[in-house]
Amino acid sequence: AQSVTQPDIHITVSEGASLELRCNYSYGATPYLFWYVQSPGQGLQLLLKYFSGDTLVQGIKGFEAEFKRSQSSFNLRKPSVHWSDAAEYFCAVGVNDMRFGAGTRLTVKP
Amino acid sequence: DTEVTQTPKHLVMGMTNKKSLKCEQHMGHRAMYWYKQKAKKPPELMFVYSYEKLSINESVPSRFSPECPNSSLLNLHLHALQPEDSALYLCASSQIPGTNYNEQFFGPGTRLTVL
Repeated sequence: AQSVTQPDIHITVSEGASLELRCNYSYGATPYLFWYVQSPGQGLQLLLKYFSGDTLVQGIKGFEAEFKRSQSSFNLRKPSVHWSDAAEYFCAVGVNDMRFGAGTRLTVKP
Repeated sequence: DTEVTQTPKHLVMGMTNKKSLKCEQHMGHRAMYWYKQKAKKPPELMFVYSYEKLSINESVPSRFSPECPNSSLLNLHLHALQPEDSALYLCASSQIPGTNYNEQFFGPGTRLTVL
């Protein structure tokens, strides 16, 4: 069965610092991987997705993620964090029966 | 139109009430989903509709009754809920079910409180 693990429940970074959020997946075949962001009380917004091809994926808001099959990972990165990036970030795997990781809450210090 | 809309935004109901949540999309998507999200938890899949037919039911209690009257609309009928059913209910849609390259678009959710 497909599953996703996000090892970090909560991360705090300073504004302007770089960010990496970790995601490890378990999937029998080629995984379809996503990163979503959720602000408090809001729905989920898709940041980026990986289906196949280039393993470095560019998304919205300056985010990117790298698919590493050998490590079963799909980590999310941003070179310089803005205060508005504070939110909950979910990694997800699958398509019609998508499964989410537990989420990582990002706090941005001024 | 590239959004999924949900009504109402907030709903408070008693345990004996009957209410419905509504979800609408006009992107021509043929798969629609209901998720339940408790505070500080990830969304949990409840139901999937493909071409207006129920294709996945994640062992959801019968007090939740989904309905897909047409390709743009998805309802969730609620009856005899329990306080532990209080949560954010998210609707999503995606293109042709069962195919690759198929991301889900989420609505803003309905915040449900059961008293």
